[in-house]
Parts: sequence; C-alpha cells; structure tokens
Amino acid sequence: GEDVEQSLFLSVREGDSSVINCTYTDSSSTYLYWYKQEPGAGLQLLTYIFSNMDMKQDQRLTVLLNKKDKHLSLRIADTQTGDSAIYFCAEGRVADKLIFGTGTRLQVFP
Amino acid sequence: DSGVTQTPKHLITATGQRVTLRCSPRSGDLSVYWYQQSLDQGLQFLIQYYNGEERAKGNILERFSAQQFPDLHSELNLSSLELGDSALYFCASSGPLEGHTGELFFGEGSRLTVL
Repeated sequence: GEDVEQSLFLSVREGDSSVINCTYTDSSSTYLYWYKQEPGAGLQLLTYIFSNMDMKQDQRLTVLLNKKDKHLSLRIADTQTGDSAIYFCAEGRVADKLIFGTGTRLQVFP
Repeated sequence: DSGVTQTPKHLITATGQRVTLRCSPRSGDLSVYWYQQSLDQGLQFLIQYYNGEERAKGNILERFSAQQFPDLHSELNLSSLELGDSALYFCASSGPLEGHTGELFFGEGSRLTVL
C-alpha cells in the first residue's frame, strides 16, 4: 500500500543545518515533494525531485533521494527562525493524488 | 497566495449537523483535491475530481460527499457530523495533465469545529 513516514519533531539551533527524513513505499511514484506549512496557513511547495534523480539543490535546500531504500531527505542549510514550520514529504504521479507523510515539526531556537 | 480560495475559513457547528465547504481552484486548473488534516492523523486524502468527474477516492466517509461543478469549483458536504470530524479541510488544485510536475496548490483551509 501507499505509506509515507516521517519523524514528528526536530529541534535545531539557528545557523545549524537541519535534516528532515522521509521514507515511502510506492516505488511507482514519479515525483517526490517537500511542502512547508506555517501556522494558520496552507501547504506551500518548497521543492520537488523527479524519481530518476539522486539529488537536487535549490539555494539553501538540498534534496537527496535513495530510490533503492525509498528514502528522501531535505537538508536546510543555515537554518533560520523563519524556517520554523511543519514540513511534509509527499509522493505521487502527475495528475494523481499526493500521499503525504505525517509532517515533521521543525523548531529553530536562537 | 496560491490562487486557491476556500470558504468559510472557520466554522463551528453541533454534532448531527451538516455543513458545506467550498473551493475555487486556480484559474485554468481542472483537478481539485480534498484533504483532511487532523492533529493525530496528518494529511489524509479524501477525494479528487478532474473536470467534473470523480477521479480518485481516498479515506472519505460515507457521510461525506463532494462534487465539482461545470465552472470547476468544488464543494465538500459533511453530514451527521461527529466530534471526530473536527479538523482542517484543505482543497488543492493542479494544472493540466501534460508537461506538469504534479504539484498541488493548496488553499488556506477551512477549520471545522464540531461541538
């Protein structure tokens, strides 16, 4: 079946790197996504990676994909207090529903 | 601003009642998705419509129903409400099938509280 798992909490010091991990089960997923949800807001796409890629870098964000282990990670360099939010991993195919993880709440302290 | 509009933003009602949540997708998007976000269950997929037709169904209760109208807006109807239905209900839309990365654009959600 389709399942996406994430750890629930991560706490980091401002300026450090954050690494949020995710495992998924559906090997037929075409894309994997990272969404960010700030308090009282909807989900916003941060970045995505095509399933035949290993890595994608976008400014402070680095996404690593290990397709063999079905493991996805999001690294945020130089984490700032404004990065405090819930981060969701999701998998899916074009024009299909996305299956979301439970979300990882990132707390950044000074 | 994602371009997806949801109303109402907040709704408080009693058990046994019925409510309707409304969603207007981004201009030009044909697909609409409904998700439920509750504290203990993360983001659960409910149902997807594409150009007026139901395309996929997830963990949607029989007390819930949805439809997508010719103007592409969608409504989610929740009936015989129970305390456990209290949650944030998100609508999302996505673009055309071809040449697309599958990204969903989310509205800000409708927070339903059942007392």
